[in-house]
Amino acid sequence: GAGVSQSPSNKVTEKGKDVELRCDPISGHTALYWYRQSLGQGLEFLIYFQGNSAPDKSGLPSDRFSAERTGGSVSTLTIQRTQQEDSAVYLCASSFSGGTGELFFGEGSRLTVL
Amino acid sequence: GIQVEQSPPDLILQEGANSTLRCNFSDSVNNLQWFHQNPWGQLINLFYIPSGTKQNGRLSATTVATERYSLLYISSSQTTDSGVYFCAVVWYGGSQGNLIFGKGTKLSVKP
Repeated sequence: GAGVSQSPSNKVTEKGKDVELRCDPISGHTALYWYRQSLGQGLEFLIYFQGNSAPDKSGLPSDRFSAERTGGSVSTLTIQRTQQEDSAVYLCASSFSGGTGELFFGEGSRLTVL
Repeated sequence: GIQVEQSPPDLILQEGANSTLRCNFSDSVNNLQWFHQNPWGQLINLFYIPSGTKQNGRLSATTVATERYSLLYISSSQTTDSGVYFCAVVWYGGSQGNLIFGKGTKLSVKP
C-alpha cells in the first residue's frame, strides 16, 4: 500500500482479555518496528523485525507481549491478559532497510484497557 | 545506552516568528530523523538527516554528527506548525537499528 496501515484504530477491552493489533507495512520494506506511546509521553521501542533475522525483542515490557511477522510482511502484536497500564497508542513503522533506512509510521492503534 | 536530549521542552510562539529546536545525542549515530506529531497523533516525517543540511519550505535542519547535535529551524511559523517535534536516532552501539526517540519539544503557535 501507499503507507503503513494499522488496525484497529481504536480498541477498548476489559482487563484480563487478550488483544491483537495488526500492522501492514509499506510494500517492499524489509524492516518493521513496533513502538508504544503512553499519554503525553515519547515513543518507547518494543520490537524490531529485519528480513529473516531473529527479531530484536529487547523492548518488550513483559512476557505478556509478543509479536510475529508472517511472510516478511504483515505483523501482529499480541498482548495477553491486558492490564490498565497497557493503555497506550501502539505505533508501527517500516523502512526499506533497517538501521540506516528512513522510518515511516502508521497512524497507530489506540488501546484502552478498562 | 545512548541519550537523546531535546530542548526546549516547551515553546510558545506568535505566528510569524522563527524558532530553533535542538537535539543532542551522547554517542555516534548512523541515522537521525525529525518528526512532527500533529494534534491528532500522526507522526509526520520532516527530515532524514544523519549529517549535513536539508531544507523543505519553511523548515530546515542541520546535523553535525561529529559534535553530536542536530538543529531544526522553523521560519515564519504558522498555527498548523503546532504539535510535538521529535528527534530520533539509530545508535551504532545499539542492537539491530531501532530508532531511539527524544522526549520531544511541544510547540504552540498562537495566532
